[in-house]
Amino acid sequence: NAGVMQNPRHLVRRRGQEARLRCSPMKGHSHVYWYRQLPEEGLKFMVYLQKENIIDESGMPKERFSAEFPKEGPSILRIQQVVRGDSAAYFCASSHQETQYFGPGTRLLVL
Amino acid sequence: DAKTTQPTSMDCAEGRAANLPCNHSTISGNEYVYWYRQIHSQGPQYIIHGLKNNETNEMASLIITEDRKSSTLILPHATLRDTAVYYCIVRQNTGTASKLTFGTGTRLQVTL
Repeated sequence: NAGVMQNPRHLVRRRGQEARLRCSPMKGHSHVYWYRQLPEEGLKFMVYLQKENIIDESGMPKERFSAEFPKEGPSILRIQQVVRGDSAAYFCASSHQETQYFGPGTRLLVL
Repeated sequence: DAKTTQPTSMDCAEGRAANLPCNHSTISGNEYVYWYRQIHSQGPQYIIHGLKNNETNEMASLIITEDRKSSTLILPHATLRDTAVYYCIVRQNTGTASKLTFGTGTRLQVTL
């Protein structure tokens, strides 16, 4: 059973560009979570989605960030007009019920 | 979710048991204790969780005190590959699963 997959693993963007991060949950998992880890800091919750629905977006910045989990395909975390402060590791987790399993992360570097 | 307190860092000799403590004195009756670890900026890895009974799996054992105000994660025979930051997290297992709140964790260094 393949684990949570994220791509790309590394992403470099210039300020003002868009970043799209993808997350494929484990087979049979319908819950997806996104977390962000800034350099030398702990993981912070961003958003929780079920298929086609955002359940909790209390950790999402109000501007430039959006997330979706369509009926078909991976979950997407989209960051518009990236700034240097967006440079971080972005982790996706999925669950069937309670226990969350994490992917390897996408490391975003904004130049 | 209740707050947890963990030591900032610990050392353990390879082959010995690593005992990682966690205080969660404000835990409520329906909150579980979860342990994750993060090895050198990899994705967090689920280790174990429990409500009030002690739990054991192939990775570790979880000992929860009778009053549930603290717990200990035990790695019975630590290896160098167990060097990581270990996070103790308390959360409710609601019908629709909720977010994990990570603290600063314990940085475990396993040495030869």
